[in-house]
Amino acid sequence: GESVGLHLPTLSVQEGDNSIINCAYSNSASDYFIWYKQESGKGPQFIIDIRSNMDKRQGQRVTVLLNKTVKHLSLQIAATQPGDSAVYFCAEPKGSNDYKLSFGAGTTVTVRA
Amino acid sequence: EAQVTQNPRYLITVTGKKLTVTCSQNMNHEYMSWYRQDPGLGLRQIYYSMNVEVTDKGDVPEGYKVSRKEKRNFPLILESPSPNQTSLYFCASSFHVGTTANTGELFFGEGSRLTVL
Repeated sequence: GESVGLHLPTLSVQEGDNSIINCAYSNSASDYFIWYKQESGKGPQFIIDIRSNMDKRQGQRVTVLLNKTVKHLSLQIAATQPGDSAVYFCAEPKGSNDYKLSFGAGTTVTVRA
Repeated sequence: EAQVTQNPRYLITVTGKKLTVTCSQNMNHEYMSWYRQDPGLGLRQIYYSMNVEVTDKGDVPEGYKVSRKEKRNFPLILESPSPNQTSLYFCASSFHVGTTANTGELFFGEGSRLTVL
């Protein structure tokens, strides 16, 4: 079946270091993938997306890499800051229906001062 | 300010007592969706709506109903709540979800924490 999963449920990072959050997916037909950030007590917030015809996309301090060969997605955060502490989710369309988004269980990132 | 507003934010109720969680967005979005979030399970889609009077089931629709009579509102109805519906609920909206427009930038509400005793 289809699933979106994250390799590690938690990640502890020293402030200033780079963070890498990983996600494995199984739906080879997905046309796009999305990363969301959820801070404590808030709703998820869109970070960045990437279409399946791309390998890499950069945003402000974030880079998403897509490796379709091994069905792997990663989110890299440069110079991690305390405000980056949150739960990060990857998401993809479920099956052929773009309106059904499947979310991973999330990785909790904690930034150490 | 562009936002998705949910009410109530917190609710404790008893089994079988009908309740409605309202959701309203002021961005003229076509697409709206409800999710529940449970520890270790991430976000699971309950129902979604592609436009007024167009709704469809997500992954976990059992025990829930929705309606989309107006573009801005998408209430979630629990006709007879049960303890397994204790969860954190999120409403979300977007102009469009899919490959023809944006790729799924959903705007989420702040969440409604529901406890069913």
